[in-house]
Amino acid sequence: EADIYQTPRYLVIGTGKKITLECSQTMGHDKMYWYQQDPGMELHLIHYSYGVNSTEKGDLSSESTVSRIRTEHFPLTLESARPSHTSQYLCASSESGQGDGELFFGEGSRLTVL
Amino acid sequence: QQQVKQSPQSLIVQKGGISIINCAYENTAFDYFPWYQQFPGKGPALLIAIRPDVSEKKEGRFTISFNKSAKQFSLHIMDSQPGDSATYFCAASRQPGTYKYIFGTGTRLKVLA
Repeated sequence: EADIYQTPRYLVIGTGKKITLECSQTMGHDKMYWYQQDPGMELHLIHYSYGVNSTEKGDLSSESTVSRIRTEHFPLTLESARPSHTSQYLCASSESGQGDGELFFGEGSRLTVL
Repeated sequence: QQQVKQSPQSLIVQKGGISIINCAYENTAFDYFPWYQQFPGKGPALLIAIRPDVSEKKEGRFTISFNKSAKQFSLHIMDSQPGDSATYFCAASRQPGTYKYIFGTGTRLKVLA
């Protein structure tokens, strides 16, 4: 069982609100990721981090921002939520090194912006 | 060139039957091809993976077949069970060693009891 946790699991908010999705892992993994999962199931990488103070944008352009101040914590923030941000957000982590790179996913945060 | 194309979008199989999901890619730099399984309300979890130096990998009822020349790979689930009902994603490693995967669009599998 993977030790990666996301909160909140579900969030319904109004347009213009600031939100932060929390992600924490207890496996000591250096690499962490945020994926956006559309209602039709596809996953798109929006942010990733190779370690503390290292963050980069992913393939899918996103208005969200991330920070990595501690190894175990990788929060995602939307300064002003819009209906177009409605989606499921999945956090993941993986070990460093030359291993097979298995991604360990959290259970997701489903965001609905009204 | 960065896409991974997955088919079918949905699949219904009788209990005991064989489920087959196909993926195709363009980028020959991809060097690691995992399959992830996702149950409703859960995050995806690694099911099985293959590297292009082998043509087949089997783990229990799950087998990956890999055709490097055709740039295709597929997941076969033998003796499919209702508990296998889930969404399956193929993926490819876009930059070796970085684990920044390109995912397929997913296949929703339903196994009828």
